[in-house]
Amino acid sequence: NAGVTQTPKFRVLKTGQSMTLLCAQDMNHEYMYWYRQDPGMGLRLIHYSVGEGTTAKGEVPDGYNVSRLKKQNFLLGLESAAPSQTSVYFCASSWGENQPQHFGDGTRLSIL
Amino acid sequence: RKEVEQDPGPFNVPEGATVAFNCTYSNSASQSFFWYRQDCRKEPKLLMSVYSSGNEDGRFTAQLNRASQYISLLIRDSKLSDSATYLCVVNKFGYSTLTFGKGTMLLVSP
Repeated sequence: NAGVTQTPKFRVLKTGQSMTLLCAQDMNHEYMYWYRQDPGMGLRLIHYSVGEGTTAKGEVPDGYNVSRLKKQNFLLGLESAAPSQTSVYFCASSWGENQPQHFGDGTRLSIL
Repeated sequence: RKEVEQDPGPFNVPEGATVAFNCTYSNSASQSFFWYRQDCRKEPKLLMSVYSSGNEDGRFTAQLNRASQYISLLIRDSKLSDSATYLCVVNKFGYSTLTFGKGTMLLVSP
C-alpha cells in the first residue's frame, strides 16, 4: 500500500549540477503535482500534469522541467542547480480536478 | 487579498481545550475546500473535506461560510497528538490545481 513514493529522500548537490527527482504513484491517479516548501512560504506549485504525456506550469516553474511519460510516474528535473533551489520537494497525486491530493513523504534537497 | 489566508499562530492550548481556526479565501467562485494537517518535517495529510452544509469527523468540525468567504476548523477535546500545522486548501478557480494556505500552528500542552 505504497501510495506516492518519492526518490531520493535526501540529496546534496553542488551549484550547476543536474538531477532528477522521481515520483511514483500506485493509485491510478490521473493528476500529479510537484511542490516546493520553504520556511515562511508554504507549499508552492512548480509543475503539474493532468494525464500521461501532459505537463503544465505552476506558480514557480523557472529552473525546473518535468515529464510524465507513464501515468504512474512524474519526474522533476533540475538542469543546473542553484542555491535558491534548496528546499523540501513534495510530489502529490489526485484522481481528478480539485480533488484531495495525496502526498509523498518529500525529498530534502540542499544545493551548495 | 491573498488567495488563501491563515493566522500563522501558534495557538497554545491545554489538553482538553476547544480551539478554532479560520481561513479566508479570495475567489468567490471556489468550489472545493479542504483542511490538511502537517507534522514537523512530514508531508501534508488530508484531515477532512469541507462541505457546504458543514461536516464533522469525530472531534473535528469544518464549516464553510460562502457569504464571508471563509472556512473554519473546530477541534474539541484537544489531544497532545493534535499538535501540528493545519493547512487550509482551496481550489484555484479556472485551473486544475489547489492553493494551500501557509498554515496555522497548534501546540497542545499537558
